[in-house]
Formats: sequence, C-alpha cells, structure tokens
Amino acid sequence: DAKTTQPPSMDCAEGRAANLPCNHSTISGNEYVYWYRQIHSQGPQYIIHGLKNNETNEMASLIITEDRKSSTLILPHATLRDTAVYYCIVKYGNKLVFGAGTILRVKS
Amino acid sequence: GAVVSQHPSWVICKSGTSVKIECRSLDFQATTMFWYRQFPKQSLMLMATSNEGSKATYEQGVEKDKFLINHASLTLSTLTVTSAHPEDSSFYICSARDWGAGGRYNEQFFGPGTRLTVL
Repeated sequence: DAKTTQPPSMDCAEGRAANLPCNHSTISGNEYVYWYRQIHSQGPQYIIHGLKNNETNEMASLIITEDRKSSTLILPHATLRDTAVYYCIVKYGNKLVFGAGTILRVKS
Repeated sequence: GAVVSQHPSWVICKSGTSVKIECRSLDFQATTMFWYRQFPKQSLMLMATSNEGSKATYEQGVEKDKFLINHASLTLSTLTVTSAHPEDSSFYICSARDWGAGGRYNEQFFGPGTRLTVL
C-alpha cells in the first residue's frame, strides 16, 4: 500500500485558507487520494477524493500534482469548527489505511 | 452524506465479559463494512473487513476468535469483543461502503464510534 507523509500539526487563522500538504511519492496509477478529518472523539468525516484531476466540493478543494506524488487539501475559509485531525489516505483496492494525520488548529 | 450509526456509543464492562457493538447503515446498503480501533492520541487501525453473508477478513495481528464479526445483512454488522480485558479498552469505529445507489458508489462513511472501557 502506498504510504503518505503529512506534517504533524499546523495552525491557521480563522477566515484564512488552510492548505494541508500530503506526500505520496509511491502512489501508483490506479490509486485514489482520499481526505478525511476527525474531530475529537468522533468518527472520521469524508471530505474529498481524487485520482489525478483537481477536485472541488462544498467543503474543500483538492490539488494533485501532475506527477501525483503529492497533493494539497485547501479549506478556503477556515473556521474554528474546522479544528480537527486531517488524514490523507491513498486507497488501494478495498481499504482505507490511516496514517498519523495533521492536527489543524484554527485560531481566532 | 450518508449516515452510519453505532450502538452503544459507550459501554463499561467487567473483565471477562463479552460486549457486542452494532453498526448500521441507515440510508444506504453496504456490502462491505470495516471495523477500526483507535487508542488515545493514535490513529485509526483497521481491524477487519466484512462482506455481507461471508466471513470477515482480519488484519495481521487481530485475533479473530476474540473479535467476532457478523455481517448478516446489507445494513448491519456487529463486532463482539469476547472475554474483554482492560487492554481491549479503546474507541471502536465502524465504516460502511455504499453499494452504489444515489451516486455515492464506493464511498466509505464512518460511524460515530463506541467507547469501550473494561474494568
């Protein structure tokens, strides 16, 4: 399974864009990149996923580099409620295998 | 998004007893469900994958006789922790993959988790 590398923590000012990076240099051609987040003591929440094109939904944007070795999740206007652990996952086949994630702290 | 529920949300039991946790997909059918465990300040660890009507597939190091998984219908999977011990205390989270109706093919949704404390 492809592994992902994320910074352990990041801070972001409320109202500003939060850009969360993820490296997945061993990703193969048919593996999707998924992003989930987990607010304390809750189950993970799906955010977005993509294969090679950039994706946008009501929650976030996902930018995947052309070589697919890294991606960035963008929360365009972070709020205090976006404080959570964000997981970047490369899905192979059936399974979502979680790494350590990035703790995002949104501060007022 | 789709709704996955778990019951109970928390449970305290005595060492040596068995505890059953239910996971239900409320508004979609799930041929595949997953069980994860999360210890404090750690990430989620996949325990097993269950497919409706067949035996679960366990990850390496997870005891199948201790963590019994049943996936009898397209909307219900259960995890039974048998002869629970204090080291089994953890946050157990289930996940269900959408069968495909409603344009959510292959998306995976998580339940709110069950906090198990074994005394």
